[in-house]
Amino acid sequence: GQNIDQPTEMTATEGAIVQINCTYQTSGFNGLFWYQQHAGEAPTFLSYNVLDGLEEKGRFSSFLSRSKGYSYLLLKELQMKDSASYLCAVRGLSGTYKYIFGTGTRLKVLA
Amino acid sequence: GAGVSQSPSNKVTEKGKDVELRCDPISGHTALYWYRQSLGQGLEFLIYFQGNSAPDKSGLPSDRFSAERTGGSVSTLTIQRTQQEDSAVYLCASSIAAGPNYGYTFGSGTRLTVV
Repeated sequence: GQNIDQPTEMTATEGAIVQINCTYQTSGFNGLFWYQQHAGEAPTFLSYNVLDGLEEKGRFSSFLSRSKGYSYLLLKELQMKDSASYLCAVRGLSGTYKYIFGTGTRLKVLA
Repeated sequence: GAGVSQSPSNKVTEKGKDVELRCDPISGHTALYWYRQSLGQGLEFLIYFQGNSAPDKSGLPSDRFSAERTGGSVSTLTIQRTQQEDSAVYLCASSIAAGPNYGYTFGSGTRLTVV
């Protein structure tokens, strides 16, 4: 079967660093994506990994290990506006362009 | 348009009625996807369009669900004889092409409530 696992909720303090983990088991692998979704809004694209290693984009970084079926999203210098759900999604079989989504991690940033 | 536009933003319907949900993708985006998001669930794939054809409709939950896309642009998702379990947010997304490198742009969704 295909499965994406991520923690349901996390809490962190403004200015801190938080790491959101995602593990996956899918039939084939064609990229891992992270999306941010504020309550009542559309998900917005954050990052994409297809090769092992770290991709850095400003305050956000994403890491991938294909051999371990593991990724994390790292958020630095947390701001209140970072309070949102973070969705991990995997593209599976080549030629199948749909995503398999995790249920999302709801991050609360406290002052 | 500047973004993916979905209408209506909210729809309340009685059980057994038919509903139509509309998606207007970003101009020039050839790939279009429908997902739904139920409370506490991850986004669930419904159907994928490349141009006007639907190479993958494996996620449609039953034959009450159908979708079409005309002119390589606007798509309509139709749910016939709605049931309470159809209540969810229906999200449409488009991308400039279908391929592993291309992230989606999502619309704001249609919140469907079946009473």
